Amino acid sequence: ETGVTQTPRHLVMGMTNKKSLKCEQHLGHNAMYWYKQSAKKPLELMFVYSLEERVENNSVPSRFSPECPNSSHLFLHLHTLQPEDSALYLCASSPLPSAAGYTFGSGTRLTVV
Amino acid sequence: DQQVKQNSPSLSVQEGRISILNCDYTNSMFDYFLWYKKYPAEGPTFLISISSIKDKNEDGRFTVFLNKSAKHLSLHIVPSQPGDSAVYFCAASRTGGGNKLTFGTGTQLKVEL
Repeated sequence: ETGVTQTPRHLVMGMTNKKSLKCEQHLGHNAMYWYKQSAKKPLELMFVYSLEERVENNSVPSRFSPECPNSSHLFLHLHTLQPEDSALYLCASSPLPSAAGYTFGSGTRLTVV
Repeated sequence: DQQVKQNSPSLSVQEGRISILNCDYTNSMFDYFLWYKKYPAEGPTFLISISSIKDKNEDGRFTVFLNKSAKHLSLHIVPSQPGDSAVYFCAASRTGGGNKLTFGTGTQLKVEL
C-alpha cells in the first residue's frame, strides 16, 4: 500500500461506454497528477491539479475529463474512447512545491474494445 | 520530442555484479533528477534523486552519478540482487516548472542467479 489508491485495477470498456477512474490519497499532499503509460513510451503527463485547481492540461483529448473535488480525490472520466487509449493510467500525488515527493498509485489497466 | 531518454530497453546482470543504468536528457533547464523503480502490477516507487549542484548521491547499494556537461546520469546498483529485477525510470524536473516530472521510457533490469 503506497498511500495512493486507484480503482479499479483493471477496466475493459467499449468505445461507446462512459466510465470513471478514481484516485485517493491520504498523505496530506496538495498536488495530484494523471499519467498515461503506453507500451515502449515514457510516462506521459496528462493533467496536474495543484490545490484542487487544474494547472496543466497536456493537450489531452476531450474524451478524457478530470475532476478534483478535494485535495484527497481525483477522478478521470472517460467517454467514447478509442482502442489506442488502452494503457496503464497512473495517478500520483506530491506535496507542494516539491517534485521529489511523488507517490504513485498502482494504476488502472484500461483496455478499450 | 523526448527530453529524457533511456536508450537501453533492457539489461541483464548476474547476481552480485554491478548494474549500470543510463539516462540522457536534452533540456539544460532540468536541475533535479530522480530514479523510480517499477514492479509489474505496481506503480513506480521513488528510489534515489540528485540535484544539479551535486555530481553524486549514494544510498546504500544505489548510487546516482550526474554529468551535467554531457547531460547524462547513471544509476549504479552494487551488488545487484534478484529482487532488483524491475523497470527503472529516469525522471527530471526543473525549478519553476511546477511539480512536473518528465520521464524516460524505462529500462527493464533482470538480475540472474
